[in-house]
Amino acid sequence: SYELTQPPSVSVSPGQTARITCSGDALPKQYAYWYQRKPGQAPVVIVYKDNQRPSGIPERFSGSSSGTTVTLTITRVEAEDEADYYCQSADSSGVYVVFGGGTKLTVL
Amino acid sequence: QVQLVESGGGLVNPGGSLRLSCAASTFIFSDYYMSWIREAPGKGLECLSYISNTGSYTSYADSVKGRFTISRDNAKNSLYLQMNGLTVEDTAVYYCVRQRVSSGSYHFDSWGEGTLVTVSS
Repeated sequence: SYELTQPPSVSVSPGQTARITCSGDALPKQYAYWYQRKPGQAPVVIVYKDNQRPSGIPERFSGSSSGTTVTLTITRVEAEDEADYYCQSADSSGVYVVFGGGTKLTVL
Repeated sequence: QVQLVESGGGLVNPGGSLRLSCAASTFIFSDYYMSWIREAPGKGLECLSYISNTGSYTSYADSVKGRFTISRDNAKNSLYLQMNGLTVEDTAVYYCVRQRVSSGSYHFDSWGEGTLVTVSS
């Protein structure tokens, strides 16, 4: 079955830049989405179709794609950005929807 | 505000069955694909199954294929998940989730609060 691979954790100091990667063989062919999930809350889409940002999401959040890896970049990290981040995409057929394992962002 | 309310979770013995329900409101249910997504303890999110807006198309993750069946009743604004042959690995919080389809890709924009399924003897 298809898998998306994320690092389990990323740590960054306030004001610095955090980068969270997500790797999968079908990513050159399928769009990726990024979700932010805070404790006790539902996941929220923060990047869609690789690099588009929904209205209301700060410009500090951006997505990029290169080959089999997509990257979520958070600039000028704030304490409130501490959360779990999940990538989501589909296999090469587009039928099976999968999530990455999630990355816990810790703001030091 | 989209409302999705799951019910039907609980404690079940290995090999047993459960039927989850999801009541949807405040949006035109029949316009949207719907999904069941679960989160097992200490693990991430897993998209188990989704169903097209008319119910004519369904998809299942390998982990539940042949054991779980997704269905919907658009007249009742309801989504269902029939779960058979449950194992301890199926212990998780199960979420009813609204799915968006765009340019051939899927993502999820509204989630219920979840219902806990515990499989244990």
